[in-house]
Amino acid sequence: GENVEQHPSTLSVQEGDSAVIKCTYSDSASNYFPWYKQELGKRPQLIIDIRSNVGEKKDQRIAVTLNKTAKHFSLHITETQPEDSAVYFCAASGRGFQKLVFGTGTRLLVSP
Amino acid sequence: KAGVTQTPRYLIKTRGQQVTLSCSPISGHRSVSWYQQTPGQGLQFLFEYFSETQRNKGNFPGRFSGRQFSNSRSEMNVSTLELGDSALYLCASSLEELAGVYSEQFFGPGTRLTVL
Repeated sequence: GENVEQHPSTLSVQEGDSAVIKCTYSDSASNYFPWYKQELGKRPQLIIDIRSNVGEKKDQRIAVTLNKTAKHFSLHITETQPEDSAVYFCAASGRGFQKLVFGTGTRLLVSP
Repeated sequence: KAGVTQTPRYLIKTRGQQVTLSCSPISGHRSVSWYQQTPGQGLQFLFEYFSETQRNKGNFPGRFSGRQFSNSRSEMNVSTLELGDSALYLCASSLEELAGVYSEQFFGPGTRLTVL
């Protein structure tokens, strides 16, 4: 079935350090991979996404890489700041229309 | 443009009751998806509607149903509530400019349902 594994479940870093979150998906038909940030009590918000015809995408301090062969994709945050503290979810497109299969989330804590 | 809105924001029900949740998508968005978020199971896809038609359905029992109106607003209904239905119910809308091509899903604030 469709499944997305996400690691680590929690990640603590010092301000200025880099953070990496990794996901693995099971369905080779998946072609869209968004990352969402959810702050406590708030709605998930898209921070970056990548499609299967691209290997890497960057937006300022955030980058995502995709390895289709290995079915891996990763989120990289550089120069972390306390306001980056939140839960981050990876997702992969599922079978059918507009269905996202989410990972279990990574709680990122950035200490000043 | 106004964002995705959901009503009510909070709901307390007892076992056996039924509940209806509402979602208004961003103007112009015709696709509305629903997700259930719980600490144990994370975010799980319930169903998706486009132009009043259910195009996709997740692995939830038949007690969970939904519909979409001609103005793209969507409702989901849960009948015979169980304790395990306590969760944050999120809807998301997307533009889907090109048929079948995934586009960004914008989430609403959610409805927090508590079943006692």
